Amino acid sequence: GENVEQHPSTLSVQEGDSAVIKCTYSDSASNYFPWYKQELGKRPQLIIDIRSNVGEKKDQRIAVTLNKTAKHFSLHITETQPEDSAVYFCAPRQGSNYKLTFGKGTLLTVNP
Amino acid sequence: EPEVTQTPSHQVTQMGQEVILRCVPISNHLYFYWYRQILGQKVEFLVSFYNNEISEKSEIFDDQFSVERPDGSNFTLKIRSTKLEDSAMYFCASSGTGGGYGYTFGSGTRLTVV
Repeated sequence: GENVEQHPSTLSVQEGDSAVIKCTYSDSASNYFPWYKQELGKRPQLIIDIRSNVGEKKDQRIAVTLNKTAKHFSLHITETQPEDSAVYFCAPRQGSNYKLTFGKGTLLTVNP
Repeated sequence: EPEVTQTPSHQVTQMGQEVILRCVPISNHLYFYWYRQILGQKVEFLVSFYNNEISEKSEIFDDQFSVERPDGSNFTLKIRSTKLEDSAMYFCASSGTGGGYGYTFGSGTRLTVV
């Protein structure tokens, strides 16, 4: 099955700084690469996703980059704000089924 | 914005009892899923359901688990004889056409087995 590694496990930044979280996966058939934000006690919420035929996608302060050859994709958050504090999960999806395999999560803390 | 609705939000049950967790997926979605998250851990896939049958299930989804879509709107997860280790947050999700992109998760049911 898919093996997903996410780094770092915790990340603390000052407000206004950038944050980068990296996700590596093992299944070369993966073709959809979402990032989820989860606040304490709440559901995972999709914040950005990218498909395998695209290298980069940006949505305001959030971007995702994909390197299919190296089997990794990264979440970039610029101009971080305290409300960005949450756990972030990558969850690549394999090609032949629609199962998401979640990483272990990154706890992002943005200090005011 | 369309939502996936889950009931109940909290459920406490005695070990060995049966529980049914209920979900109403987004109305035009075709793919349905259950995931669970033990407190402080990652989200784990349990089962996917399409065209009225299970399309994939994980090792966690053993004979104690079953899913059903009894009518056109509800999607249920049944645990026949709950164990302490079944205590977790259970999330239902659904996704639409076009390859199952754009998952939407429900707000979850916190199951506590005592």
